[in-house]
Amino acid sequence: SQKIEQNSEALNIQEGKTATLTCNYTNYSPAYLQWYRQDPGRGPVFLLLIRENEKEKRKERLKVTFDTTLKQSLFHITASQPADSATYLCALGPGANNLFFGTGTRLTVIP
Amino acid sequence: GAVVSQHPSRVICKSGTSVKIECRSLDFQATTMFWYRQFPKQSLMLMATSNEGSKATYEQGVEKDKFLINHASLTLSTLTVTSAHPEDSSFYICSASPSGIYNSPLHFGNGTRLTVT
Repeated sequence: SQKIEQNSEALNIQEGKTATLTCNYTNYSPAYLQWYRQDPGRGPVFLLLIRENEKEKRKERLKVTFDTTLKQSLFHITASQPADSATYLCALGPGANNLFFGTGTRLTVIP
Repeated sequence: GAVVSQHPSRVICKSGTSVKIECRSLDFQATTMFWYRQFPKQSLMLMATSNEGSKATYEQGVEKDKFLINHASLTLSTLTVTSAHPEDSSFYICSASPSGIYNSPLHFGNGTRLTVT
């Protein structure tokens, strides 16, 4: 069965630095990959979608890469701010609207 | 933007009672909605896919008679936890995406924290 790993349960970085989160997957060939942000006690909020034929996507301070050979996606937040502190989830799509979620990385940006 | 409203946000009930959770898409139609369950520090686990006008599709290991799903309209799906037990205590989240839009992002409700005493 498919397996999705976000290899850091928690990540602490200093304000202003770039945060890099990793999502690896196995036994799977997703048509697309999405990243979500989840704050405590709230539902996830969509951030970015990248398709299998795209290598990189940007949105403001966010950048996502997708390497289907390595079966890996990297999620970068540049010039990080304390307000970026949250749990970030990667999710893979099998070609329908259903998604399989990783366990998330809890990011803390230290002022 | 697309908004999904989930109600209630918190509910405490006694063991053996039933609890209904509503999920509404406020500004778009959704033929399909999804129900997830999330334990502390764990990922979202898909419980079932709710299909408007037809039976829900349940994931392996999810009891369909315990978690009743009704999707009576294009904007409303309900999840009823029947005969709740303390082990059903969890964070339940619904999601939806605009109908017929392939690969569109999911829009989530803010979740329902269920505590069964």
